[in-house]
Amino acid sequence: AIQLTQSPSSLSAVVGDKVTITCRASQAITSVLAWYQQKPGKPPTLLIYDASALETGVPSRFSGSGSGTQFTLTISSLQPEDFATYYCQHFNRHPPLYTFGQGTKLETK
Amino acid sequence: EVQLVESGGGLVQPGGSLRLSCAASGLTVTNNYMSWVRQAPGKGLEWVSAMFNDGSTYYADSVKGRFTISGHKSKNTLYLDMNSLRHEDTAVYYCASQGRAFDIWGQGTTVGVSS
Repeated sequence: AIQLTQSPSSLSAVVGDKVTITCRASQAITSVLAWYQQKPGKPPTLLIYDASALETGVPSRFSGSGSGTQFTLTISSLQPEDFATYYCQHFNRHPPLYTFGQGTKLETK
Repeated sequence: EVQLVESGGGLVQPGGSLRLSCAASGLTVTNNYMSWVRQAPGKGLEWVSAMFNDGSTYYADSVKGRFTISGHKSKNTLYLDMNSLRHEDTAVYYCASQGRAFDIWGQGTTVGVSS
């Protein structure tokens, strides 16, 4: 089964920073990769799908890129509401199987 | 507005059973790819089970043979029947609809397995 490993597992930053989170797959995967943001006590919200497509309503400071085994989520200029945990997720179609990365907790420095 | 509302969580002893429900509005559960995703306390997200719009069902290895996903068309509700529950099944259980990805999530229902 495909495994997704995020790095770093935690990250300290300040408002205005540019932040990059990496998601590495254990084998080459299609670009059916998504990124989610989760705040404490809340369900995740979709940020990016198909590796680089911005979900409707998500601020343009969020962007995704990558292919093969390495994917990245970038926040161009961190805002106070961006401190949260971020997850990558892959959907394998055949056979259907969903995999999440272990999460990256973004904290204020 | 599309909305998913989970219910049915609670505290159960090991070996017990629970049925979770996910009532949908603004979408038809049997016409979409629907999943259950769980999150153990302080841990990450774990996909549990999916039901596709052709009725096919899929499970994570950790729940295969113990959990059953189903959908009721007229009630527009997704279910997760959980049997032989274990301590490690303790989690918040979310239902989610898959469009471009998991783009719609419910607020979750909490399941605790403890003696």
